[in-house]
Amino acid sequence: QVQLQESGPGLVKPSQTLSLTCTVSGGSISGTSYYWSWIRQPAGKGLEWIGRMYTTGSSNYNPSLNSRVTISVDTSKNHFSLKLRSVTAADTAVYYCATQQQLVFGNWGQGILVTVSS
Amino acid sequence: DIQMTQSPSSLSASVGDRVTISCRASQSISTSLNWYQQKPGKAPKLLIYVASSLQSGVPSRFSGSGSGTDFTLAISSLQPEDFATYYCQQSYITPFTFGPGTKVDIK
Repeated sequence: QVQLQESGPGLVKPSQTLSLTCTVSGGSISGTSYYWSWIRQPAGKGLEWIGRMYTTGSSNYNPSLNSRVTISVDTSKNHFSLKLRSVTAADTAVYYCATQQQLVFGNWGQGILVTVSS
Repeated sequence: DIQMTQSPSSLSASVGDRVTISCRASQSISTSLNWYQQKPGKAPKLLIYVASSLQSGVPSRFSGSGSGTDFTLAISSLQPEDFATYYCQQSYITPFTFGPGTKVDIK
């Protein structure tokens, strides 16, 4: 069972790019059949799927964020990343990385709070 | 996008009570429905997948049912550690979407 850990800045200025990394331990990114996913949750609200990438490079993004988001996988560092451009206060949330296998989010990171504020 | 709704949005129950939570999809999703439990400050935890399959390690007091557009999560005898928020999630088609959650608290 893989373990996931998010890292990155906890504060991002409006209009800038939010960049997060999810480090994978307990398994190799390239050796598993997971989709590597990002999900977010504004304070006191529900969960929003951001997108996912497979190790082969195929990806899917939520159309609500599609033009601003990029997910990438770095097999050499055994981590995957999220970039969300042109952020606003509405992007303030806890961001989770997760694995998706057979359409189920089975492993989750602990989450990282990112606040968008000047 | 497939919209997911849940009812009730919150409920109060006692230890030992049977609790049921409903989830409805805006279109048929077959049995592509998963349930998660989330406690404050923690990541969601998978309970049920493909509508009725119990995730390994999850107590058997949890069960799921339904297909098409209507689904139910049941807890047969509520335990103190079950007080949490429960989310349904459709995995039928992207974008994957979650219900708004049902908070279960102590009566």
